[in-house]
Amino acid sequence: GENVEQHPSTLSVQEGDSAVIKCTYSDSASNYFPWYKQELGKRPQLIIDIRSNVGEKKDQRIAVTLNKTAKHFSLHITETQPEDSAVYFCAATPRGANNLFFGTGTRLTVIP
Amino acid sequence: DSGVTQTPKHLITATGQRVTLRCSPRSGDLSVYWYQQSLDQGLQFLIQYYNGEERAKGNILERFSAQQFPDLHSELNLSSLELGDSALYFCASSQREEPRISPLHFGNGTRLTVT
Repeated sequence: GENVEQHPSTLSVQEGDSAVIKCTYSDSASNYFPWYKQELGKRPQLIIDIRSNVGEKKDQRIAVTLNKTAKHFSLHITETQPEDSAVYFCAATPRGANNLFFGTGTRLTVIP
Repeated sequence: DSGVTQTPKHLITATGQRVTLRCSPRSGDLSVYWYQQSLDQGLQFLIQYYNGEERAKGNILERFSAQQFPDLHSELNLSSLELGDSALYFCASSQREEPRISPLHFGNGTRLTVT
């Protein structure tokens, strides 16, 4: 099955700085890559996703990039704010699969 | 609010006992997923149902079972509970069978504590 690795496991940035979280996947057939944000004690929420026919996608301060050749994708958060503090999970799913394979999560702390 | 309803929110029980967790998907969603999240851990996929039928199975223990009913709600049954089963159990739903076609929306979870 698919194996998703996520780095770093923890990340601290100053408010206003950028944060980058990276994930690699093993199955070249994977074609859908969502990112979920989980605030403390709450449910994971989808914040952005990208499909394999697109190299980059932006939504206000967040963006995701995908490199199919290298089999890695990244989440970029610009102008970070304290409310961005949360655990972020990347995921991947191969074509035809009925499951999301999640990374191990990155705990982002934005220091005011 | 995601529209996915999970009950109960909290459950405290003793080792060896059996519990049932319930999930009602968003209106119109046919797929239900169950995930287990232990303390400071990632999301471990347990099982998926689509329109009443099991479609995918992850690392689900034999002591655990699930089903999806005709009204599309789902139940996760955990038996012979052990201390290590203490975790947050999430249900997620989506419209279609494949996550790449329709995204997953998570409920608020059931926190299970086994003492």
